[in-house]
Amino acid sequence: AQSVTQPDIHITVSEGASLELRCNYSYGATPYLFWYVQSPGQGLQLLLKYFSGDTLVQGIKGFEAEFKRSQSSFNLRKPSVHWSDAAEYFCAVVPTQGGSEKLVFGKGTKLTVNP
Amino acid sequence: KAGVTQTPRYLIKTRGQQVTLSCSPISGHRSVSWYQQTPGQGLQFLFEYFSETQRNKGNFPGRFSGRQFSNSRSEMNVSTLELGDSALYLCASSYRDSSYEQYFGPGTRLTVT
Repeated sequence: AQSVTQPDIHITVSEGASLELRCNYSYGATPYLFWYVQSPGQGLQLLLKYFSGDTLVQGIKGFEAEFKRSQSSFNLRKPSVHWSDAAEYFCAVVPTQGGSEKLVFGKGTKLTVNP
Repeated sequence: KAGVTQTPRYLIKTRGQQVTLSCSPISGHRSVSWYQQTPGQGLQFLFEYFSETQRNKGNFPGRFSGRQFSNSRSEMNVSTLELGDSALYLCASSYRDSSYEQYFGPGTRLTVT
């Protein structure tokens, strides 16, 4: 079945440490890939996206993500986490077939940042 | 440019009632999508509207409906509310171009008692 998996429900890191959030997808054709962030009580903000081309994409707030076709993965990374990065992060896809803009989301990873 | 606005932000309803939520997209955006967010099911797609036409619908019962007006504003309606409809309802707008970038509003928190 087509799906998006974020294996880690909750991750805790210390401020200044590096971060990697995992995302795997299961689609026949490589979908369009996105990472969104949601702060408490807020809507979703787009961090970055991948359609094609360079497999390392840069986003806002110092985030980057790497697309690995062989692993069907699109992991989000940040070299040094700030306390303000504490939020919930969602990996999402738009299937390339179907002509829809429907986003299919993973279950999310909640990030806690310790001082 | 103003972002996506949703009204009301918070709503408390009783089982069996109906509710209407409103979404005003970013100026110039003609596509509006709705999502339901719950702790158990996560973020689920409800429907997408473009130029007043429903383009896609998620796997929700017929109690969930929506519409889009000529100014691109959208409403969604839930009839005969159930406890399980308690959720954060998010609206997103886009140009519906090849960027696939959707901009989300802050959501409407619906509580059904």
